[in-house]
Amino acid sequence: DVKVTQSSRYLVKRTGEKVFLECVQDMDHENMFWYRQDPGLGLRLIYFSYDVKMKEKGDIPEGYSVSREKKERFSLILESASTNQTSMYLCASSSQGPRYEQYFGPGTRLTVT
Amino acid sequence: AQSVSQHNHHVILSEAASLELGCNYSYGGTVNLFWYVQYPGQHLQLLLKYFSGDPLVKGIKGFEAEFIKSKFSFNLRKPSVQWSDTAEYFCAVNAPGGGNKLTFGTGTQLKVEL
Repeated sequence: DVKVTQSSRYLVKRTGEKVFLECVQDMDHENMFWYRQDPGLGLRLIYFSYDVKMKEKGDIPEGYSVSREKKERFSLILESASTNQTSMYLCASSSQGPRYEQYFGPGTRLTVT
Repeated sequence: AQSVSQHNHHVILSEAASLELGCNYSYGGTVNLFWYVQYPGQHLQLLLKYFSGDPLVKGIKGFEAEFIKSKFSFNLRKPSVQWSDTAEYFCAVNAPGGGNKLTFGTGTQLKVEL
C-alpha cells in the first residue's frame, strides 16, 4: 500500500514564526503536492513538484515556499506564519501521468496564534 | 476561470435513501474526472475515476458516477446509502494541459441518519 506520512497531525505556532511541514512518500512517486483544506473552500493547491528540485506554483502560493531535495520528501515552508494560514494542510503524491490517482497523507492541522 | 462546482454543500439522508451528488466543471476538451471521499478522521481516498469509454463508472462501496459530456457533469450516485457513508465527498478534475494537477470542488458533507 502507498503510504504518505506527514510529520505532525497538530501544530500550534505563533505569528511570525517560520514553519516547516514535512511529507514523505514510500512509493517512488514522481509527483508530490501540497494543498490546504478549508471548510467551504475544498482543497486548494499551494505548490507541486514533478521531480527532485523541480516545483511549480499552484493556485495559492503566496506566503509559502517548498523544497524537494529527495524524491520521497516534500517540505512546505511558511516563511513568516500568519493567522490566515491557520488551516488543514494535506500532502499527496502520484505517479507521472494525468490518469494516476493522488494518494493523500493524514493532514496537519496548523493553528497560528 | 476554470472551476469545479459542487452545488450541494450539506446533504442529510436517512439510511436506505438514494444519493446523488452533483459535480459540474467548466473545462472544454478532454478531462479526467475523480471523486474522492474523506471519512471522519481518515485520509482522503479515491472513490472512482473516469478517463474514457463507458460514461458510467463504478467505484468502491457501491458508488457509481455518470459522465455527461454535453452537460459538463460527473454526478455521483448510490442507490441505498448506509450510516457508514457519512463523509465529505470531493469532485476533482484534471484539466487539459494541467499535467497531474487536480482542481477540486468545494466538497459535499453527507450525513446519513439511522
